[in-house]
Amino acid sequence: DVQMTQSPSSLSASVGDRVTITCRASQSISNYLNWYQQRPGKAPKLLIYATSSLQSGVPSRFSGSGSGTYFTLTINGLQPEDFATYFCQQTYTFGQGTKLDIK
Amino acid sequence: QLQLQESGPRLVKPSETLSLTCTVSGGSISSSTYYWGWIRQPPGKGLEWIGSVFYSGTTYYNPSLKSRVTISVDTSKNQFSLKLSSVTAADTAVYYCARLAVVSVRWFDPWGQGTLVTVSS
Repeated sequence: DVQMTQSPSSLSASVGDRVTITCRASQSISNYLNWYQQRPGKAPKLLIYATSSLQSGVPSRFSGSGSGTYFTLTINGLQPEDFATYFCQQTYTFGQGTKLDIK
Repeated sequence: QLQLQESGPRLVKPSETLSLTCTVSGGSISSSTYYWGWIRQPPGKGLEWIGSVFYSGTTYYNPSLKSRVTISVDTSKNQFSLKLSSVTAADTAVYYCARLAVVSVRWFDPWGQGTLVTVSS
């Protein structure tokens, strides 16, 4: 089974910052990588699918890149509503999550 | 706009069977391009895929749960259901249902709001 490892597990940043979250796969997964945002007490929300395609309605400050085993989620110009937990996902496996909180 | 809503008992006794239903509204469950899935999240922890079902009844289960899981679909009611048998405290979690796109990349969207199921006597 493919294992997904996110880093860091937690991250502190300020409004306006640029942050990058990393997801590594234990073997090549082509571009089969998605990203979700989960706010406290809420269901996960799809942000990016197929590595870099922005889901409808998601702000353009979110972007994704990568291929093979290394993938990144970047948020340019953090907004207050972006402080949440982010998960990567490949097929049926999720990363362990990255909690982004306010510095 | 497609919406999913989980329903079922919030408290289940150890060794009993957890049963949840997901009702799909705003679209048909009988789509050839989507599966329908269950995912759970223990309090304060990450996400675990439980299994998925196609409108025809074809299912895929997480190998770690396969012996205890049954997922079924009722197209007449636009619903799909989860049964997890022989539950223990480790099965306490928020259970989500979601639509699963099955193109080359598989993603879950949208999700239900989730329901917390507690296993306790």
